Amino acid sequence: RKEVEQDPGPFNVPEGATVAFNCTYSNSASQSFFWYRQDCRKEPKLLMSVYSSGNEDGRFTAQLNRASQYISLLIRDSKLSDSATYLCVVNRRPYNFNKFYFGSGTKLNVKP
Amino acid sequence: GAGVSQSPSNKVTEKGKDVELRCDPISGHTALYWYRQSLGQGLEFLIYFQGNSAPDKSGLPSDRFSAERTGGSVSTLTIQRTQQEDSAVYLCASSFLMTADDGTYEQYFGPGTRLTVT
Repeated sequence: RKEVEQDPGPFNVPEGATVAFNCTYSNSASQSFFWYRQDCRKEPKLLMSVYSSGNEDGRFTAQLNRASQYISLLIRDSKLSDSATYLCVVNRRPYNFNKFYFGSGTKLNVKP
Repeated sequence: GAGVSQSPSNKVTEKGKDVELRCDPISGHTALYWYRQSLGQGLEFLIYFQGNSAPDKSGLPSDRFSAERTGGSVSTLTIQRTQQEDSAVYLCASSFLMTADDGTYEQYFGPGTRLTVT
């Protein structure tokens, strides 16, 4: 079983729509959680960290459910510029190593 | 401030040749990671350096792949006797290493080296 699983999409939505992605992780010892954004042929860039109490950054809201081992990302009022692949990333520290586990990404296409 | 840099940005090589890819992490970051990403695929972990500890090489796909990190800073990923299936984007990332058991810290990626083996 993969450490981190995501729906690959694509999610095709019109501008202004609200869209949500989920991601599940398999190891309950996971400690830190992130959403990264990757544009076509570019490197991944941090979108936001995910905190236990949930957090919001402008149009983006991230939630963590430790009991069910999933993370979500909600994007409100989608913009054309939100079109990208969104990577769910989980961090844990087995044997004091600091390892990051990446999902395969969910592709979002925002259409005019 | 300066981010993670990688060189070269593009490398085309013939099958069977050796290649070296370089990564300069963000100053002060003690953790350094190499990943590769094939077209349309997710990130594949290769190797991880943590301070002065022995690296985690568990992701290296074969003994043709090796990496060094000199002086706790610059890292070089070497692929010997390249094969066509080695064609991919090789991404380097760095992060701080927290010593406490809590805290949230993220990785910062370089722009990658696009390797094409002909």
